[in-house]
Amino acid sequence: AQSVTQPDIHITVSEGASLELRCNYSYGATPYLFWYVQSPGQGLQLLLKYFSGDTLVQGIKGFEAEFKRSQSSFNLRKPSVHWSDAAEYFCAVGARGGATNKLIFGTGTLLAVQP
Amino acid sequence: GAGVSQSPSNKVTEKGKDVELRCDPISGHTALYWYRQSLGQGLEFLIYFQGNSAPDKSGLPSDRFSAERTGGSVSTLTIQRTQQEDSAVYLCASSPQISPGQGMINEQFFGPGTRLTVL
Repeated sequence: AQSVTQPDIHITVSEGASLELRCNYSYGATPYLFWYVQSPGQGLQLLLKYFSGDTLVQGIKGFEAEFKRSQSSFNLRKPSVHWSDAAEYFCAVGARGGATNKLIFGTGTLLAVQP
Repeated sequence: GAGVSQSPSNKVTEKGKDVELRCDPISGHTALYWYRQSLGQGLEFLIYFQGNSAPDKSGLPSDRFSAERTGGSVSTLTIQRTQQEDSAVYLCASSPQISPGQGMINEQFFGPGTRLTVL
């Protein structure tokens, strides 16, 4: 069965510091991978996605993520965090070739940014 | 253009009452999804529509939950005889035309959600 693990429930970083949010997935083949961000009281916004090709993908707001097949990981990174990045981040996996197109989400990582 | 909209934004109800939650997808999007976000549970898939049909209802937690979609557009999620454990944020998402089983998947665009509180 597909699953997504985000091992860090809560992370605090200082503004200007680098950030890495971890995501590990379980899936039998190469999955579709997504990172979404949810600001308080808002819906989810797509940051970036991986379907195929270059394993380093660039997203909005200066985020990037790297797909590592050998580690079943899709970690999200940002070189310099801004206060406005404080939000909850969700990693998700989508199945290929199935009858459904649902996404399986991790439990999220809540990011706090210290001034 | 307009995004996915959901109504109401907040709903407070008493245990045992029925509730209806509405989702208006992005115009032209044929795929529609409902998810539930409970405290500490992340997002759980509930149901997927392709057009008016629902090929995947596997996430509906009980027969108290049902959903329909008419005209390939608006969808309604109905919860009958609500229980306190139904309290959550219900999120709707839509995505463009896709061919299930063809190895394709599209980005899902999410609405702001309906926060349901069952007293």
